[in-house]
Amino acid sequence: DVKVTQSSRYLVKRTGEKVFLECVQDMDHENMFWYRQDPGLGLRLIYFSYDVKMKEKGDIPEGYSVSREKKERFSLILESASTNQTSMYLCASSLLSGGRQARSFGSGTRLTVV
Amino acid sequence: DQQVKQNSPSLSVQEGRISILNCDYTNSMFDYFLWYKKYPAEGPTFLISISSIKDKNEDGRFTVFLNKSAKHLSLHIVPSQPGDSAVYFCAASSTGTASKLTFGTGTRLQVTL
Repeated sequence: DVKVTQSSRYLVKRTGEKVFLECVQDMDHENMFWYRQDPGLGLRLIYFSYDVKMKEKGDIPEGYSVSREKKERFSLILESASTNQTSMYLCASSLLSGGRQARSFGSGTRLTVV
Repeated sequence: DQQVKQNSPSLSVQEGRISILNCDYTNSMFDYFLWYKKYPAEGPTFLISISSIKDKNEDGRFTVFLNKSAKHLSLHIVPSQPGDSAVYFCAASSTGTASKLTFGTGTRLQVTL
């Protein structure tokens, strides 16, 4: 089974802080994704990466950046955290690209920005 | 603009009965659909999928039906078990949109004893 590990389960940060969310997968998957989950809005794609050092914007990239220096690790960066970025953040990976590939998700990081 | 909609935020079903979760989509380019299940404090897990060339796919107690003309899909769980209590998300993709999956808003299923 693919294991996708998110470094923190809960985080509380102050407005304006730079926040790093880390994600590691152990199955040599090419593709990695960051989503946020909000009530009534489902899961929305922030960024994805299909290879080391490659990244693509998702539906809601504003206020976020990402880093993929190694295949197994995909980091989400909030350059200056704001209260509207309070959310559940989910990392996922898949072996192949394309929407037909089921994602394997981590357990999520619940971020609260105060 | 919500391209994938799950209009029922919650559903309660008795153990042993059928659970039917519905999903509607607006983008006619979607040609592959997936269902995910999410327990509290865990990430979503893949459940079942269906390609637009089919109208039904079955896996054990789970069956997904696709009605392309109505742009509607449904997930049937028979018989429902208490362990099925979770939030269910449908998701859709279209060929050629790289790795884009569009998720619905989720339906919370409660299976009661």
